[in-house]
Amino acid sequence: GAVVSQHPSRVICKSGTSVKIECRSLDFQATTMFWYRQFPKQSLMLMATSNEGSKATYEQGVEKDKFLINHASLTLSTLTVTSAHPEDSSFYICSAADRSSSGANVLTFGAGSRLTVL
Amino acid sequence: LAKTTQPVSMDSYEGQEVNITCSHNNIATNDYITWYQQFPSQGPRFIIQGYKTKVTNEVASLFIPADRKSSTLSLPRVSLSDTAVYYCLVGVEGKLIFGQGTELSVKP
Repeated sequence: GAVVSQHPSRVICKSGTSVKIECRSLDFQATTMFWYRQFPKQSLMLMATSNEGSKATYEQGVEKDKFLINHASLTLSTLTVTSAHPEDSSFYICSAADRSSSGANVLTFGAGSRLTVL
Repeated sequence: LAKTTQPVSMDSYEGQEVNITCSHNNIATNDYITWYQQFPSQGPRFIIQGYKTKVTNEVASLFIPADRKSSTLSLPRVSLSDTAVYYCLVGVEGKLIFGQGTELSVKP
């Protein structure tokens, strides 16, 4: 089945630094990928839709200059958390859509990246 | 995008059948219903997807009534390893909004 690889799985950084998270679709091409954020004991919150070759579409309340998304190829999307602060500490999860046998899109998720900002 | 409502939590015992119902009153004609499972500190994992009536795979069944305003995920004979959060989502084109999910706790 479809596999999405996300890296790194854990990252700890100092306040003010930038962190890049990679999301790769390993065995299929994904023109669209999605980035989610999840706080402890809460549901996933959609941050943005990453479109190959064009600008990402951000959800309301998500700062596009804070969370830079680059979808340079059909198999790779990156999320860069710029000038990270402790409140950016969270679990970031990417996903890519693959067409199921029923004809609808099925999201395959990466394993997630735990960001801790000191 | 259709909003979904699920019970916040459920308890069960090993070997029992568990049914989790999700209501989605404003589901659109083209929307599919998809269920995901999530363990702590992991990405969600696809369980099953359906459009109408009943769908069954090796891990679960999905029951969808004719009006499609709700759906029920059925997990046969749960084990301790089925303890997780289960999410019901509706949509068609990939942009899916997660509700609160149902936290299932399976006890020995």
